[in-house]
Amino acid sequence: EAGVVQSPRYKIIEKKQPVAFWCNPISGHNTLYWYRQNLGQGPELLIRYENEEAVDDSQLPKDRFSAERLKGVDSTLKIQPAELGDSAVYLCASSLEALRRDEAFFGQGTRLTVV
Amino acid sequence: QKEVEQNSGPLSVPEGAIASLNCTYSDRGSQSFFWYRQYSGKSPELIMFIYSNGDKEDGRFTAQLNKASQYVSLLIRDSQPSDSATYLCAVIPTQGGSEKLVFGKGTKLTVNP
Repeated sequence: EAGVVQSPRYKIIEKKQPVAFWCNPISGHNTLYWYRQNLGQGPELLIRYENEEAVDDSQLPKDRFSAERLKGVDSTLKIQPAELGDSAVYLCASSLEALRRDEAFFGQGTRLTVV
Repeated sequence: QKEVEQNSGPLSVPEGAIASLNCTYSDRGSQSFFWYRQYSGKSPELIMFIYSNGDKEDGRFTAQLNKASQYVSLLIRDSQPSDSATYLCAVIPTQGGSEKLVFGKGTKLTVNP
């Protein structure tokens, strides 16, 4: 069974440009998470979806970040415009049920460099 | 105070030794605790979870939880060079009612042959 698939693996853009990341969760996983991991830090949650509903986006910088999960499967995370401080690894994770009863599986991440 | 705190290390142990990784958390009502391993350039992978006070063993790994002290640890027995990685402690806090993992900064472990 395929794991969580993310693309692209790497992205280099100039500041003020837009960028988008794509995530395909494990088949059947209802819960999808986007995390951001800065160098030397642990991942921090940006947004959590239950099916197609964003149930926790309190830490998503809504002035420049947006996300969607159409049909409750694939998800995209967009940044427009990107800033230098957005350079990080963006991790997508999915779980079958709520975390208290289930494991979250992470994708390989997208490493974003803003120059 | 950060929600989850770990000694960032690096922690260096010789092959065959016991590696001890520690984590404290601030939300006293937290119920679920996880240890993830992250190799350089790779994504985190779950190695242990623990919900109840006491010890939980899985192969060479033992997780220890003390809710009164708000402390969770991971012991790795017979450490191998392949255990060299960053170990992330994660907690599901009760505040806010959100099912999210709150991670510490991670402890980098190096096992020397």
